[in-house]
Amino acid sequence: AQKITQTQPGMFVQEKEAVTLDCTYDTSDPSYGLFWYKQPSSGEMIFLIYQGSYDQQNATEGRYSLNFQKARKSANLVISASQLGDSAMYFCAMREGNQAGTALIFGKGTTLSVSS
Amino acid sequence: DTGVSQNPRHKITKRGQNVTFRCDPISEHNRLYWYRQTLGQGPEFLTYFQNEAQLEKSRLLSDRFSAERPKGSFSTLEIQRTEQGDSAMYLCASSLGGGLSSTDTQYFGPGTRLTVL
Repeated sequence: AQKITQTQPGMFVQEKEAVTLDCTYDTSDPSYGLFWYKQPSSGEMIFLIYQGSYDQQNATEGRYSLNFQKARKSANLVISASQLGDSAMYFCAMREGNQAGTALIFGKGTTLSVSS
Repeated sequence: DTGVSQNPRHKITKRGQNVTFRCDPISEHNRLYWYRQTLGQGPEFLTYFQNEAQLEKSRLLSDRFSAERPKGSFSTLEIQRTEQGDSAMYLCASSLGGGLSSTDTQYFGPGTRLTVL
């Protein structure tokens, strides 16, 4: 079974609108971390936001927020006020356990296209 | 530039040749990771170093692959006798570490894109 599932291969949004990118995860470990990365066409993975399994509040970083629903095992990324520069591939990733140095498990990604 | 750097950015080689990639992590980071990303997929973990010690290797890391981090700073990933299936983007990441940490964010370099003809 896939550990990280991103069901939207592609999403389209207009500038200044909000968009939600879906991510569901599967783990039996009570301690885990969830990450979102952005990958522009240049290839570099850019860290956006982190949510820990024990965090009581949803994470926010500027225009990015994470809609964390633990019971549903979902960690959707919300981008508010989309910009043309947001066009990229977006990956959801998970680290199981609370040990630093554990590998990240990535989903297949969602391509976001922002139009003017 | 204080981010993770990787060289070369692109490498084209013929099947059967050996290739070596280099990764320079963020200077104060003691953890270094290698991932491989094929077209249309997310990155897949290959191996991980804490300082100079290689602590974890994925089953994806066949005998033809070897990674080193001799002084706990930069790392090299070598692929011997390359095959067409090795064509991929090879990504390096580093993290600060410092004991148990549920965050320990991994920061990635720009990657090395390998094409095996």
